Amino acid sequence: GENVEQHPSTLSVQEGDSAVIKCTYSDSASNYFPWYKQELGKRPQLIIDIRSNVGEKKDQRIAVTLNKTAKHFSLHITETQPEDSAVYFCAINQAGTALIFGKGTTLSVSS
Amino acid sequence: DTAVSQTPKYLVTQMGNDKSIKCEQNLGHDTMYWYKQDSKKFLKIMFSYNNKELIINETVPNRFSPKSPDKAHLNLHINSLELGDSAVYFCASSQGARLGNSPLHFGNGTRLTVT
Repeated sequence: GENVEQHPSTLSVQEGDSAVIKCTYSDSASNYFPWYKQELGKRPQLIIDIRSNVGEKKDQRIAVTLNKTAKHFSLHITETQPEDSAVYFCAINQAGTALIFGKGTTLSVSS
Repeated sequence: DTAVSQTPKYLVTQMGNDKSIKCEQNLGHDTMYWYKQDSKKFLKIMFSYNNKELIINETVPNRFSPKSPDKAHLNLHINSLELGDSAVYFCASSQGARLGNSPLHFGNGTRLTVT
């Protein structure tokens, strides 16, 4: 199976609504969980990350929650704006390899 | 003062040709990577170097050969290009030697089109 599964693959919301993207992973040894945002034609950029000793982290309108027992973590964006439209990737670490990325979620925020 | 810079930005070439992509980082990071992003946006690790030494070589055809002359540079040479090599190639770097433990800083990507 896949190392990290990301859902949904596409998400459309109205401006001002919240958006939630979820990733599940299989390796219980994973301990670093970043989220990247990639705007069209640009490079992926880190927006928030969390380590396994923390359950939740917040940065203004963006938050990440981690459930180690269930092996899933989620990105929460509140009060969405059109400029939040992009592809979002979760990633995990595994022993002996570089960060492994989910397949991405295309978020569209309509005004 | 771009942190991770790669050249060229676009590369259009014919099947069978050989091409190179260059990458440089000025962040003082020890580890550099090449990722491939296909048409479905999937980001897949290809290679990783730590302080000029190859530490990851995923299942990538032998036609792809990375080279790191020093820890600030990681180049990618591709021989006998095939149609399936068309993708965006991202260089990235991270701090420290322990893989997967710190954020990746990506370059702006090189869009390779093989015709």
